[in-house]
Amino acid sequence: QVQLVQSGAEVKKPGASVKVSCKASGYTFTSYGISWMRQAPGQGLEWMGWISAYNGNTNYAQKLQGRVTMTTDTSTSTAYMELRSLRSDDTAVYSCARDPGTVTTLGAFDIWGQGTMVTVSS
Amino acid sequence: SSELTQDPAVSVALGQTVRITCQGDSLRSYYASWYQQKPGQAPVLVIYGKNNRPSGIPDRFSGSSSGYTASLTITGAQAEDEADYYCNSRDSSGYHVVFGGGTKLTVL
Repeated sequence: QVQLVQSGAEVKKPGASVKVSCKASGYTFTSYGISWMRQAPGQGLEWMGWISAYNGNTNYAQKLQGRVTMTTDTSTSTAYMELRSLRSDDTAVYSCARDPGTVTTLGAFDIWGQGTMVTVSS
Repeated sequence: SSELTQDPAVSVALGQTVRITCQGDSLRSYYASWYQQKPGQAPVLVIYGKNNRPSGIPDRFSGSSSGYTASLTITGAQAEDEADYYCNSRDSSGYHVVFGGGTKLTVL
C-alpha cells in the first residue's frame, strides 16, 4: 500500500541540527513531490517547504529560509528534512506528506507520514 | 505570503449539518484542501480541488468555495467526525502553502 514511514523521535540541544527521513513505498516516488509540515504541541499545522522528487527543486517557507534543507534520494525513495540551529520553539512533530506537484507544490497532501517528534531542550 | 482564517471551535448536534469555513485572499486564486486530524493521529485529506473526496472518505463530506471563503460541509455529522479540521491552499505567490489555524469540531 502507499505509505510514508518516518524516522524515530529525536532529542536535541539548542544550536544542534536534526535530520528526519521519510521513506516512500507503494507508488512511483519521482512522480510526486514531498511537503514537510510541523506541529508544535497543542498548536496548528505549519508548512515548512516542498521538494520535487522528480528534479530536486525546492521551495521553503520564508521564516525557515537559511535553516532548512530538503533533499531526496531517488535510489531509496527517501526524502530528508534537515533543520539547523535548533531553538526550543522548534520542538514539534515533523511530518512529511505526498504532494502531487513536481513543478511546484499543489497543496493537497493525500498521504502523510506518521510524524517524528523532535524535542529541543538543554 | 497570505493567511487563512478559521473559527477556533464549532459544535453540531449528532445527525445535523455543519459548515466549517476558511477565509483568505489566496482562495480567490486557489482551491482549499481540507484535513481531519484526530488526537495523536496524522491529518487525513478529506476534500481537495473544487469538491473532490479521496477514496474512503464518506460522501457526507463536501466542499465549496465563493470569493474569499472556502467551506467544508458535513451533512449528517457522526460521532466519529469529532476532530480538528484544517484548511490549506497555495499562497498568493503560488509557490508556498498556508494553513488555517484549525477548527475544533464537537459533535453533541
